[in-house]
Amino acid sequence: DQQVKQNSPSLSVQEGRISILNCDYTNSMFDYFLWYKKYPAEGPTFLISISSIKDKNEDGRFTVFLNKSAKHLSLHIVPSQPGDSAVYFCAAQDAGNMLTFGGGTRLMVKP
Amino acid sequence: DAGITQSPRYKITETGRQVTLMCHQTWSHSYMFWYRQDLGHGLRLIYYSAAADITDKGEVPDGYVVSRSKTENFPLTLESATRSQTSVYFCASTGQYNQPQHFGDGTRLSIL
Repeated sequence: DQQVKQNSPSLSVQEGRISILNCDYTNSMFDYFLWYKKYPAEGPTFLISISSIKDKNEDGRFTVFLNKSAKHLSLHIVPSQPGDSAVYFCAAQDAGNMLTFGGGTRLMVKP
Repeated sequence: DAGITQSPRYKITETGRQVTLMCHQTWSHSYMFWYRQDLGHGLRLIYYSAAADITDKGEVPDGYVVSRSKTENFPLTLESATRSQTSVYFCASTGQYNQPQHFGDGTRLSIL
């Protein structure tokens, strides 16, 4: 059973608007959450993270929200740009320093 | 240049052959990881290593062997390749707990 799920395989957004990518998890032992961005033929690139002791973390246009009671996190990108078009993976880490990844969401930002 | 590099970038081989994927990092990170990426599954952990000479299984270890004699290298070997091991393989490393893992650019492996 998948412990980390991204239920939307794809998302299309207009340039300048907000992109919201969602992620759900089931394991309450996860204590650190990350978002990675991946372009074709490249490795995943770290984007932003959040510790379980926080509910929000911002870095420029990117904000991650964590709702521990709902076991849900989301990534907001404002404003969206065409260069943001990529596959986004959420990942959750347990005490063993191992990451469990969601299946990814392909974001397409249209000019 | 500093970073994490994987070789080869592309590999085609036949079932039953042994193949080794290389991973090298220049950060002296303690932790190293091998993942495979398949459609619909995201990235799944194959093996990981917390330090030289310390390795452990991840979610999908069957059919794979790893070693870590030096901190900077973490090779992954498929001892007898099967078609189900056709995938894109990513190596990653991190230096500390609760720090992001940094990934190489992957090896695309096709087994015919």
